[in-house]
Amino acid sequence: EAGVAQSPRYKIIEKRQSVAFWCNPISGHATLYWYQQILGQGPKLLIQFQNNGVVDDSQLPKDRFSAERLKGVDSTLKIQPAKLEDSAVYLCASSLESAGGQYFGPGTRLTVL
Amino acid sequence: DAKTTQPPSMDCAEGRAANLPCNHSTISGNEYVYWYRQIHSQGPQYIIHGLKNNETNEMASLIITEDRKSSTLILPHATLRDTAVYYCIAIYNNNDMRFGAGTRLTVKP
Repeated sequence: EAGVAQSPRYKIIEKRQSVAFWCNPISGHATLYWYQQILGQGPKLLIQFQNNGVVDDSQLPKDRFSAERLKGVDSTLKIQPAKLEDSAVYLCASSLESAGGQYFGPGTRLTVL
Repeated sequence: DAKTTQPPSMDCAEGRAANLPCNHSTISGNEYVYWYRQIHSQGPQYIIHGLKNNETNEMASLIITEDRKSSTLILPHATLRDTAVYYCIAIYNNNDMRFGAGTRLTVKP
């Protein structure tokens, strides 16, 4: 079974630039999550989708972050414009609708200069 | 904020059992206890979860106290590859999962 795919793996940008990350969840997993993990901390949930609808985006900084999952499969997370404090690893995870564990991708390491 | 507390670090000798404790005294009756681990530079990996009963799978065992205020993750024969940060999380239905700082387990030869 293929795992959660993310791209790119690494990205370096300058502050005020825009960036987008892509995630393809495990086939059949209805729920998709985006997390932000700052160095030395545990992951922090940014947004949770159930199929193509948003379940929870309470911790998403909506003035600069946006995410979509238009067809209920893959998803894109965008930051526009980026700030220095956005430097982190962005993790995507997926799960069956409501039970069992979440399965994480390898993450995208973003460096904002 | 995370609903669980864990020691910041632990050591274990290779080949011995690693017992990782977690306190979750405010857990509600419908919240499961999940364990994940994160090896350096990788995404977190799901290990096991349980509600009331003890659970075992190919990776680990989970022992939950009868009052559900604490639990222990057991890696029966730790290897060097088990060196990682281990997260204990209390959650209902996979919603709003909040990671704490976790326990950094170091397996030593």
